[in-house]
Order: sequence, then C-alpha cells, then structure tokens
Amino acid sequence: QVQLVESGGGLVKPGGSLRLSCAASGFIFSDYYVSWIRQSPGKGLEWVACISGSGSTISYTDSLKGRFTISRDNAKNSLFLQMDSLRVEDTAIYYCAREIDDYNRAFDYWGQGTLVTVFS
Amino acid sequence: FDLTQPPSVSVSPGQTARITCSGDALANQYVYWYQQKPGQAPVMVIYKDNERPSGISGRFSGSTSGTTVTLTISGVQAEDEADFYCQSVDSSFTYVVFGGGTKLTVL
Repeated sequence: QVQLVESGGGLVKPGGSLRLSCAASGFIFSDYYVSWIRQSPGKGLEWVACISGSGSTISYTDSLKGRFTISRDNAKNSLFLQMDSLRVEDTAIYYCAREIDDYNRAFDYWGQGTLVTVFS
Repeated sequence: FDLTQPPSVSVSPGQTARITCSGDALANQYVYWYQQKPGQAPVMVIYKDNERPSGISGRFSGSTSGTTVTLTISGVQAEDEADFYCQSVDSSFTYVVFGGGTKLTVL
C-alpha cells in the first residue's frame, strides 16, 4: 500500500535551517509529482512546493521562494525540503503528499506530517 | 487567486450539510475536497468537482455552478465532524491553492 513517512522536524531558532525528508513506498515513486504542504497550528492548509517525477520541474509558492528548496532522490524513493532562514511564522506541520497524476494537481495520499517549531 | 469558504457550518444528525467554495478560477479549473479530522492528515473526499475516490462514502457529493462549487454531505453523522478544505490550481496549472477551510459541527 502507498505510504509516505515524513521525518526531520524539530525545534530550531529563527534564522536556522532544517531538512525534512519523506520516505515513499508502495508505488513507483519516479512516476509521480510530489508536494510539500504545511499547516500552522490551528490554521488552514498551505501548499509549499512541488517537484515532478523526474525532478526537472519545480514550483514554489511565491512567499517562500529563495528560502526553501525541494528535491528528490528517486533511487532512494525520497523527497526532501531544505528550509533556510527559518522564521517564527514557518512553525507548522509539514506534510508530503502525492499528486494524483500529471493532469490533476491534487493529492490522493498524504503522510502523517512532521512538526517544525521555530522559536526564539 | 483565492478560494473562499464559510468558516463554519452546523447541522443536526441526519440532515444535509452543504459547504461552498467560491473563486473566479473555478470556472475553468477542477476543485478537490479534503476532510481533516483532529490530529490527522487530510483525506480526499471529492476530486474533479464531483468524483468520489474509492472508499469514500456515497453520502459525499460535489457539484458546481459557475465560480462556486459545493460539497454536499447527506445524512450527516457524528463521525463527519471535521474541517473541510477545497483546493484548486491557477490557470497556469502551477500554483496550488487551498480554501481557508470550513469546520463542520454536528449538533
């Protein structure tokens, strides 16, 4: 069965960095776009970034461009999010999610999330 | 672009709940709906405006009218209480956007 398992969250001070990972299994990882989506405490969902199956196409939400970098390693069935210059407002649960297919920008499988807390 | 949802909807058990999602882009793009229960990841309940993923109750349905889409939950049960989010994509098919979410309360 499809599984997505995030890791790498934790406590970090403003200005610090963190690298999140998402381990995928149960499907051909390289065939799918995958995204990072975050949810601040008590708030709604915010799409962060996505990357195509080959890694050749990458998109970010405008407000995060330049601070976050999405990447993937298809040989290891893994997705990553490098987060630099972290701010208090980046505190959130970060989910990785698989997109349905190339024609539907929507998410049929989600991980359980990893919590990132940025505090001074 | 923005997707607008009502912050809350309340219904009694057995009644029908309707949650709307409005946005100019919806006239040309599909909408997807997710249910999120406390402490859990979101689960897709409707895709491509009105299709239901396998395993999702037939009590969930979607409809569209112009720039407004509606998630309808028939015969609401206590277990349906959750936050619901609509989601779409911009005209360039690049940026994914979520609505602000609607808290469904079963009275």
